[in-house]
Amino acid sequence: KAGVTQTPRYLIKTRGQQVTLSCSPISGHRSVSWYQQTPGQGLQFLFEYFSETQRNKGNFPGRFSGRQFSNSRSEMNVSTLELGDSALYLCASSLSPSGTSTDTQYFGPGTRLTVL
Amino acid sequence: DQQVKQNSPSLSVQEGRISILNCDYTNSMFDYFLWYKKYPAEGPTFLISISSIKDKNEDGRFTVFLNKSAKHLSLHIVPSQPGDSAVYFCAASEGGSNYKLTFGKGTLLTVNP
Repeated sequence: KAGVTQTPRYLIKTRGQQVTLSCSPISGHRSVSWYQQTPGQGLQFLFEYFSETQRNKGNFPGRFSGRQFSNSRSEMNVSTLELGDSALYLCASSLSPSGTSTDTQYFGPGTRLTVL
Repeated sequence: DQQVKQNSPSLSVQEGRISILNCDYTNSMFDYFLWYKKYPAEGPTFLISISSIKDKNEDGRFTVFLNKSAKHLSLHIVPSQPGDSAVYFCAASEGGSNYKLTFGKGTLLTVNP
């Protein structure tokens, strides 16, 4: 079974631009979560989608948004990029929505975003 | 304020010996704890988890211990193998194992042959 895939793997943007990252979950998984990893803050939860609906959101500004499609694929968008947005963006998928006690999140390899 | 802390940025052990990775948390609402392993250029890989109603969970060479009164958990790897060398993240959740995980900053484990 194929794992979580993320595209692109690497991205370079300049301040003020916007960016869209894509995540394809494991086949059959309907929940997708996004995380940001930086050296200073570690891994931080961004948001979670299930059945095309955002279920949970972390403490990030409104410049960070996402969506999920009917095939469970998800995209994350960051507008008006800042230098501090440089990070590894990780996507994770699971079978069921958050709140189930035994399901597990499986992570993709991440997209490395560099903002110049 | 960091709710999940891994105070040791790195740990080095000899092959065959025990590796003990520690994690402390401050949020008493956390009810599920997980350990993930991460190799460079890959996403975190789920290793083992424990519900707050238990104090120990074992899976092969990996055992996680939870001390709720001390708000402390640890991961034991016995025996350690060179392939275990990776960054280990402790994570916690307030609503089950797949609910917006809060991660520690990780501990780099190096197992020397």
